[in-house]
Amino acid sequence: DTAVSQTPKYLVTQMGNDKSIKCEQNLGHDTMYWYKQDSKKFLKIMFSYNNKELIINETVPNRFSPKSPDKAHLNLHINSLELGDSAVYFCASSPKTSGRMFAGELFFGEGSRLTVL
Amino acid sequence: GIQVEQSPPDLILQEGANSTLRCNFSDSVNNLQWFHQNPWGQLINLFYIPSGTKQNGRLSATTVATERYSLLYISSSQTTDSGVYFCAVVGGGADGLTFGKGTHLIIQP
Repeated sequence: DTAVSQTPKYLVTQMGNDKSIKCEQNLGHDTMYWYKQDSKKFLKIMFSYNNKELIINETVPNRFSPKSPDKAHLNLHINSLELGDSAVYFCASSPKTSGRMFAGELFFGEGSRLTVL
Repeated sequence: GIQVEQSPPDLILQEGANSTLRCNFSDSVNNLQWFHQNPWGQLINLFYIPSGTKQNGRLSATTVATERYSLLYISSSQTTDSGVYFCAVVGGGADGLTFGKGTHLIIQP
């Protein structure tokens, strides 16, 4: 029933570990995103995929690797976790509107809170 | 990239009060959305409003794209309106949704 779902919702792990967050959308959208919300609540885009193709890749350490097996799924894998990676990670999706990418309404998942100890 | 400024950064009101939140942006936009992040961290879609005026119950929004601003009006505030209100835009360069820093709203009973 949930439109954009992420798992897990909470993740507590040690520095140096590798972890993944999964995202799935059942809205039939072509475009999916990962956003990071820091401790000051600032939301910043990390990646965007359109129909499995990487479109946006902001300045993010290459320890972060997104993977889109199909247009309904966008997973985020993080290697060698650092303290500064602690944040809430949001997945989102949007439709293409009037042929313009990113112009459609974005819908967000509930977020995954990552805590690195 | 496009710049998004929201004001005020913080707002404390009594239940029943009305408020106006503002969002200024630095370039033409293809998309503008208002979100409410509730105390549980969920991002709730309020309005998709690249231009014009919309109303949904006690909330309404207006975007004047030619003057590069949008306003969110909340009438008869309730404690459940508390949280952070974000404005986000997609600029002409189409580089994804860029968020403002938000307005932190506290409604006191």
